[in-house]
Amino acid sequence: SAVISQKPSRDICQRGTSLTIQCQVDSQVTMMFWYRQQPGQSLTLIATANQGSEATYESGFVIDKFPISRPNLTFSTLTVSNMSPEDSSIYLCSGAERTEAFFGQGTRLTVV
Amino acid sequence: AQSVTQLDSHVSVSEGTPVLLRCNYSSSYSPSLFWYVQHPNKGLQLLLKYTSAATLVKGINGFEAEFKKSETSFHLTKPSAHMSDAAEYFCVVSDVYGQNFVFGPGTRLSVLP
Repeated sequence: SAVISQKPSRDICQRGTSLTIQCQVDSQVTMMFWYRQQPGQSLTLIATANQGSEATYESGFVIDKFPISRPNLTFSTLTVSNMSPEDSSIYLCSGAERTEAFFGQGTRLTVV
Repeated sequence: AQSVTQLDSHVSVSEGTPVLLRCNYSSSYSPSLFWYVQHPNKGLQLLLKYTSAATLVKGINGFEAEFKKSETSFHLTKPSAHMSDAAEYFCVVSDVYGQNFVFGPGTRLSVLP
């Protein structure tokens, strides 16, 4: 399956600032997704990143807080805006092709 | 709508004994089912997947899972646990188009020496 490089792997950020997470796939994928994994929890889908159009957000997530870019079929970014300690989580990007999902290594974000 | 239930939040076994991690799903259409493993501070790794072929699926590291439609189950098993199997395991359901991945809450497997 395809390989996703996600960066940064971790960061510690001040509240009120923003962080952009990048994911690069080694092949073209139709679907890319962004997930949040809060401490001790499962993965929750934030949004589906669509190439050439706006991302589709799940209930409870909004574009102003989590703007997403998908400029081509191999790359996507997620920005966590105006961060607060409640945003401390692991953020993962995922690609899906032919019924299989593959994941980046995750970004461990701590907001202080 | 799809959903996944993992009946045990934590399973503890002794090294060399069998592993059983339970998963039940709900789907309004024929699902694809997956098991992913997440080791501490590592990314998610696909163990195995079911996509409407053989109901007994063999994966990596000696794991296998059996799809039972009548029971809406996809339990993960391994005959003999190894210390390196200690991790978080997620059962995942998606539709046949590879979209709408829904994660179960996870089961943490501990392996005792």
